[in-house]
Amino acid sequence: GEDVEQSLFLSVREGDSSVINCTYTDSSSTYLYWYKQEPGAGLQLLTYIFSNMDMKQDQRLTVLLNKKDKHLSLRIADTQTGDSAIYFCAETPLSGGYNKLIFGAGTRLAVHP
Amino acid sequence: KAGVTQTPRYLIKTRGQQVTLSCSPISGHRSVSWYQQTPGQGLQFLFEYFSETQRNKGNFPGRFSGRQFSNSRSEMNVSTLELGDSALYLCASSLRTGESPLHFGNGTRLTVT
Repeated sequence: GEDVEQSLFLSVREGDSSVINCTYTDSSSTYLYWYKQEPGAGLQLLTYIFSNMDMKQDQRLTVLLNKKDKHLSLRIADTQTGDSAIYFCAETPLSGGYNKLIFGAGTRLAVHP
Repeated sequence: KAGVTQTPRYLIKTRGQQVTLSCSPISGHRSVSWYQQTPGQGLQFLFEYFSETQRNKGNFPGRFSGRQFSNSRSEMNVSTLELGDSALYLCASSLRTGESPLHFGNGTRLTVT
């Protein structure tokens, strides 16, 4: 079946790196996404990775994909208080159609001084 | 370039009523998808439209419907509202199905009393 799992909470000190992990079940997934949601707002696309890639870097963000283990991670370097939010991982199972995203429950990132 | 625009931002309705939500995609985007976000069920796919045709549908009752216009703008309708329909409804657009990332709007917060 289709399922995406994430840890629910992560607390880091300002300036440290944050690593948010995600496991997914459908090996046919083509795109894997990371979205950020701040209170009262919609989903902000942070980054995405195509399934034939192992890594993608975009400024402070690094995405690592291990297809064998169906494991996706998002690393945020030099984490700031403005990074405090809920982070959602999402997969796109081929059977569901490309725009049917399956989301995890979200990881709440708390950044403290 | 303007992002995905959803109107209204907030709605309060009574059980049994119906409601229509509107979504204007990013200029040039032809695919529009709708998602429901609740604390209990998380983010769930409702349906996707491309070129005025519904391409994919999630596991929601027939009370949930949508349509897309020739200018790619989309509306979703919920009839005979139930308390459990209270949620944040998010619209997302992409250039086309399957080959481009989804960008979300800020959502419409629907409260059913």
